[in-house]
Amino acid sequence: DAKTTQPNSMESNEEEPVHLPCNHSTISGTDYIHWYRQLPSQGPEYVIHGLTSNVNNRMASLAIAEDRKSSTLILHRATLRDAAVYYCISGSGGSNYKLTFGKGTLLTVNP
Amino acid sequence: DAGVIQSPRHEVTEMGQEVTLRCKPISGHDYLFWYRQTMMRGLELLIYFNNNVPIDDSGMPEDRFSAKMPNASFSTLKIQPSEPRDSAVYFCASSPGLVGGDTQYFGPGTRLTVL
Repeated sequence: DAKTTQPNSMESNEEEPVHLPCNHSTISGTDYIHWYRQLPSQGPEYVIHGLTSNVNNRMASLAIAEDRKSSTLILHRATLRDAAVYYCISGSGGSNYKLTFGKGTLLTVNP
Repeated sequence: DAGVIQSPRHEVTEMGQEVTLRCKPISGHDYLFWYRQTMMRGLELLIYFNNNVPIDDSGMPEDRFSAKMPNASFSTLKIQPSEPRDSAVYFCASSPGLVGGDTQYFGPGTRLTVL
């Protein structure tokens, strides 16, 4: 799996957009970019994933750089319930596929 | 679907005792994963199964840990004997496949405290 680098923490205000960055400079052509988040006292939950093109779903948007060495998770309007640790993971499929979780980014949302 | 189900949610035991954690994956998912989360080491993959067969147990810390999946709807993680350093939150997750875009669905976890 490609190594990912994320800021340890970020802060946002409620109802404002949040841009969570992730660097994955060693990513290979077949590696997907996944984002999971972990709310306090809960298991990780899937947020979004992509390969090359930007992706949107009901939870967030994923913007992938053209060279794929970085990506940004975008929460369009942060709510207090979005306060969590956000993990950016890069990996490929196949029999050796694993989700390798790093430290993630602790997002604090201020009311 | 009810999602991944884990039991118990909390377990407190004394050093030396046997501990068994249980997991019911989402129906139809072919892959099952066991993770451990601690403050020091973060979230670590212990072992995963494909169609009830253990595929990679390289993350299992030592012989005191064992995992089984007797059928597609049930898995156990056993620690015998338990030690205080095993205290952690243990998560079970399941996935429909291992294609790069497949999602893992996590259970609520079992918080284990070994005194």
